[in-house]
Amino acid sequence: NAGVTQTPKFRVLKTGQSMTLLCAQDMNHEYMYWYRQDPGMGLRLIHYSVGEGTTAKGEVPDGYNVSRLKKQNFLLGLESAAPSQTSVYFCASSKGQGVSTEAFFGQGTRLTVV
Amino acid sequence: QKEVEQDPGPLSVPEGAIVSLNCTYSNSAFQYFMWYRQYSRKGPELLMYTYSSGNKEDGRFTAQVDKSSKYISLFIRDSQPSDSATYLCAMSVVIIQGAQKLVFGQGTRLTINP
Repeated sequence: NAGVTQTPKFRVLKTGQSMTLLCAQDMNHEYMYWYRQDPGMGLRLIHYSVGEGTTAKGEVPDGYNVSRLKKQNFLLGLESAAPSQTSVYFCASSKGQGVSTEAFFGQGTRLTVV
Repeated sequence: QKEVEQDPGPLSVPEGAIVSLNCTYSNSAFQYFMWYRQYSRKGPELLMYTYSSGNKEDGRFTAQVDKSSKYISLFIRDSQPSDSATYLCAMSVVIIQGAQKLVFGQGTRLTINP
């Protein structure tokens, strides 16, 4: 009963370093999302995907890239990390069969950029 | 102005009290209204969702939507210490091909004291 699994759970980066956050879901969901959660800001959508091989920008995409080569995986990349990217990152997936379908979230990745 | 406003609290009440959590929104395009619960260092999980104005009840929880006032509420009756968490309101709108964008409030941190 894994659901949505995020790797890693914690990471500390130095400014300018790069890294990739991995999200894997085992529910055969079409739609996947990356959000970031910051104090006082709620969750904000970074990028999303409506299916294998497709990606699109959300409301705060700058500094991030994504890829969805396999239906079950959604990768979030930081090419050159900045302190402003210190945040908790959440991946989510949904069936996508209508607006009401539930989005399932992973447990989050806590990223600190120093 | 944020699309969704939520008082971040914190809110602390005694066990057994009735809790009222609220959000206001500005975007008339929002179609579904949800409440997510997030325990410390965990991902959000869907608690309730509703589409139309009115009340929806699920056990000790009641979700209320007033579209004319752009105001939603979550009531918790007979609150328990296990209800202590951050409660996030979220509102959804279709972005493309059925994929939903969830716009979150800042979240209200709730503590139920035994």
